[in-house]
Amino acid sequence: SYELTQPPSVSVSPGQTASITCSGYELGEKYACWFQQKPGQSPVLVIYQDSKRPSGIPERFSGSNSGKTVTLTISGTQAMDEADYYCQVWDNSAVVFGGGTKLTVL
Amino acid sequence: QITLKESGPTLVKPTQTLTLTCTFSGFSLSTSGVGVGWVRQPPGKALEWLTLMYWDNYKRNSPSLKSRLTITKDTSKNQVVLTMTNMDPVDTATYYCVHSILYSYGPDVFDIWGQGTKVTVSS
Repeated sequence: SYELTQPPSVSVSPGQTASITCSGYELGEKYACWFQQKPGQSPVLVIYQDSKRPSGIPERFSGSNSGKTVTLTISGTQAMDEADYYCQVWDNSAVVFGGGTKLTVL
Repeated sequence: QITLKESGPTLVKPTQTLTLTCTFSGFSLSTSGVGVGWVRQPPGKALEWLTLMYWDNYKRNSPSLKSRLTITKDTSKNQVVLTMTNMDPVDTATYYCVHSILYSYGPDVFDIWGQGTKVTVSS
């Protein structure tokens, strides 16, 4: 079965840029989504189709797909961005989520 | 405004069948490109997709769970029902209902999530 690999944790200082990666086989041929999940809350879509932001998502969130890796970038990271982040793709008509990355803002 | 809300038992016994209902508003499941699905999350663990029902009654299931899953819809009631058979303690999780949308290109996107409902499997 298809697998997406994310680093378990990423740390960033307030105001700096955070990058969270997600890798998988032939990822460049798929469209990726990113979800933010804060403790005790439901996931929220922050990026879809690799780099598009849903309405209401701050511009500091951006996404890219470089072929083997998709990356979620948070520019000017704020304390409120501390959360778990999950990448997601479709593979052979099935949805696959990454293992999640805990972003710590310190 | 699209909202989804899950309902069902909080506790089920091993081997029993789980039935969860997703009641939604703000959209119709008869609209082309729209779907409603289910995703679960065991405590402290990652998200896991279960199933997705489309506006045209087409369904997709997780390959690893498809023998245990059934998803149905009642368009008139704005509800989608998930049944999962032969529940086991490893199925203990928060179960989320999700709205999916198909854009002009690319795969379906899970853009709106329900608040989730916690289900514990224990004797």
